[in-house]
Amino acid sequence: EAQVTQNPRYLITVTGKKLTVTCSQNMNHEYMSWYRQDPGLGLRQIYYSMNVEVTDKGDVPEGYKVSRKEKRNFPLILESPSPNQTSLYFCASSLFGQGRGGYTFGSGTRLTVV
Amino acid sequence: GIQVEQSPPDLILQEGANSTLRCNFSDSVNNLQWFHQNPWGQLINLFYIPSGTKQNGRLSATTVATERYSLLYISSSQTTDSGVYFCAVFMIYNQGGKLIFGQGTELSVKP
Repeated sequence: EAQVTQNPRYLITVTGKKLTVTCSQNMNHEYMSWYRQDPGLGLRQIYYSMNVEVTDKGDVPEGYKVSRKEKRNFPLILESPSPNQTSLYFCASSLFGQGRGGYTFGSGTRLTVV
Repeated sequence: GIQVEQSPPDLILQEGANSTLRCNFSDSVNNLQWFHQNPWGQLINLFYIPSGTKQNGRLSATTVATERYSLLYISSSQTTDSGVYFCAVFMIYNQGGKLIFGQGTELSVKP
């Protein structure tokens, strides 16, 4: 089944403890991105990647890192999480860039930083 | 940047009723998607519809790109249709871009 898989689905962690949210797609998509969703602010892009080793900042990149060493994987790294990074996170992928063909979203990761 | 506006913001239906959700966008786009966010938070892709009409079961969508709007039709609504419906368009910037989401229509279907 074609899908974007995120793990974990739920995570509670403490301030400052490094964590990684994994994202993997099995559709050979070139374009991948991370969004966070917050009440009243909607969905905002954190980082995106147009292909292996090609990444760029979105609207809210502070406090996050990404890497794209393989086409299928695009992990989101929080080096020192803070409570303001408590949010619902989504990974998305698309076969083409520039929105063509549409996006497939993962099931989301609900992160709480205490 | 592109503005995306959805209406109505909230909608309450009795099971079996039909509804139409609207999405207006401020600039020419060559792509548009409709998503359903279910009560568990998952974002489900409903339609990729840059223009024309598509149907999938009880749902259908129409985009008139020249007039900058899209409509999502839900017929014979069921309680499982409850959740938030988003439309989104892609905005190009730098060598990439991002999805611009509307604020959503929150649908509640009562049994």
